Amino acid sequence: LAKTTQPISMDSYEGQEVNITCSHNNIATNDYITWYQQFPSQGPRFIIQGYKTKVTNEVASLFIPADRKSSTLSLPRVSLSDTAVYYCLVGEQAGTALIFGKGTTLSVSS
Amino acid sequence: GAVVSQHPSRVICKSGTSVKIECRSLDFQATTMFWYRQFPKKSLMLMATSNEGSKATYEQGVEKDKFLINHASLTLSTLTVTSAHPEDSSFYICSAIAGPGANVLTFGAGSRLTVL
Repeated sequence: LAKTTQPISMDSYEGQEVNITCSHNNIATNDYITWYQQFPSQGPRFIIQGYKTKVTNEVASLFIPADRKSSTLSLPRVSLSDTAVYYCLVGEQAGTALIFGKGTTLSVSS
Repeated sequence: GAVVSQHPSRVICKSGTSVKIECRSLDFQATTMFWYRQFPKKSLMLMATSNEGSKATYEQGVEKDKFLINHASLTLSTLTVTSAHPEDSSFYICSAIAGPGANVLTFGAGSRLTVL
């Protein structure tokens, strides 16, 4: 399984755009990139998933360069409620992306 | 959307007793469920993969006799922590893949176990 590396922590202010980059140098051809959000004492929640280029949904965008060795989760105009841990997982579809890295703790201040 | 329910959300028990945690898929059938453990300020650690109708597959270092997993139906998997000790105190989270064609994990809300 591809190993992922993310910054341990990031700080931001309300209203700013936050970009969290994840490195996955040994990503395999069949691997997808999935991001989860976790609040304290809760289970992780799916944010977004992509294979290449750009994916956008109502809460985030995911940018994946052509070599797919990294990906960037973009959160537009963050609020205090976006303070959480964000995990990047890499694996094949249907649940093989099971191994969590250390995640990025995002702290949003007013 | 797919919902995974976990019960209980919090449990406190005495050392030496056993505790059962239930994980249910409410609106889909889950042939496979996964159990994670999370210590404070740490990431999730995969404990085992639970397959309906067969034995669970445990990750290296996880004691299968300590953490009994049963997946008797397509909507229910249980984790029993046997003869619990204080070091078993942790946050336990289950997850499932929401059916054929689904490609993400749906997680339960987690169960906080405290062993006194």
